[in-house]
Amino acid sequence: GQNIDQPTEMTATEGAIVQINCTYQTSGFNGLFWYQQHAGEAPTFLSYNVLDGLEEKGRFSSFLSRSKGYSYLLLKELQMKDSASYLCAAYSNDYKLSFGAGTTVTVRA
Amino acid sequence: ETGVTQTPRHLVMGMTNKKSLKCEQHLGHNAMYWYKQSAKKPLELMFVYSLEERVENNSVPSRFSPECPNSSHLFLHLHTLQPEDSALYLCASSQGGESGNTIYFGEGSWLTVV
Repeated sequence: GQNIDQPTEMTATEGAIVQINCTYQTSGFNGLFWYQQHAGEAPTFLSYNVLDGLEEKGRFSSFLSRSKGYSYLLLKELQMKDSASYLCAAYSNDYKLSFGAGTTVTVRA
Repeated sequence: ETGVTQTPRHLVMGMTNKKSLKCEQHLGHNAMYWYKQSAKKPLELMFVYSLEERVENNSVPSRFSPECPNSSHLFLHLHTLQPEDSALYLCASSQGGESGNTIYFGEGSWLTVV
């Protein structure tokens, strides 16, 4: 089976840094996705990690440790528009993408 | 605009009604998905089609019936639903394959069963 855990909520101040952790237990693990979802909208792709290490894309970075079953999404220089739900998803075979419940990030002025 | 279009965006139906959700992808992908998203719960994979063949059926009740007439279109036929089926239904597509299998979601269809 699949088990994806991430915190329910996080709050941070504009301009700050927030790290969203995700742990997973997934059979046949292939890679780890992060999606952003604003209220009432579709999830949008942020990152995909296959190998261990940190991948940086502008203000957002994602890290993966396959041996620990652990990933994090790092949001830097937070902006108000970053207030959203962030979904961690483990990709386990050609077509199986299992999601965590999502972390709601609230950015305060 | 993600390249995946869903209609209707909002649907209210009675428990004895029959309705359908429609999804169309303009990305040239070969796999399509239906996900269910309920409040405070993880997205639940319902069905997966690859090259118009169903490859995954995640123990979904028979009152949900998918149809994939071609690689660009996917339907979810709804019949005698229950109030607990009220949720956001998301269609998605991907190119398939082991790596870089990024899934692109549509805007979703908000379903309310009364």
